Amino acid sequence: DTAVSQTPKYLVTQMGNDKSIKCEQNLGHDTMYWYKQDSKKFLKIMFSYNNKELIINETVPNRFSPKSPDKAHLNLHINSLELGDSAVYFCASSLSYGTLNTGELFFGEGSRLTVL
Amino acid sequence: AQSVTQLDSQVPVFEEAPVELRCNYSSSVSVYLFWYVQYPNQGLQLLLKYLSGSTLVESINGFEAEFNKSQTSFHLRKPSVHISDTAEYFCAVSEVKNAGNMLTFGGGTRLMVKP
Repeated sequence: DTAVSQTPKYLVTQMGNDKSIKCEQNLGHDTMYWYKQDSKKFLKIMFSYNNKELIINETVPNRFSPKSPDKAHLNLHINSLELGDSAVYFCASSLSYGTLNTGELFFGEGSRLTVL
Repeated sequence: AQSVTQLDSQVPVFEEAPVELRCNYSSSVSVYLFWYVQYPNQGLQLLLKYLSGSTLVESINGFEAEFNKSQTSFHLRKPSVHISDTAEYFCAVSEVKNAGNMLTFGGGTRLMVKP
């Protein structure tokens, strides 16, 4: 079983459209993240949720709206897509409490978004 | 704020040669340090991590990294590389933020192993 799974793996769409990427983890973690990897492979955090509550929001345009229906799921919805949104989006999860908090993140395989 | 610098964007090396991928970080607090590996068209996988204790940490596939607090470095080494080690390698530092762990990544180093 895949620990952190994202769908779709590839997404090609036109500028101005709205799209969503879904993420699910079966590790029993309480915290989930979205990272963006640009064309130069640079990775930057976008959002983090802990037990369905937004805890990290790193100056991402409000066209990006994460939603966490429960602690095992974190979806990313993007409105009015722009060319610059083309990237690989990675979902990740971690444990955040007590001695089990090692800072380690477990990543999904990524969703490659191409905006034409 | 934390930052991570990987000094080399690309490192070409011949198979069976040794390699060192350099990583320096800045942080005002105690840190957890990580190396992640990304094979082509795949997600990031943890290679090794430093949390506390021995400053030399090892992975199961022959990589090792040494935490040097005075030099704020966490360089990754392997005495003899294989073609299969060709990948992008990311150094990262973890900061606890609002009950989450925010990983700050370096820009990555592409290791290219040639036959």
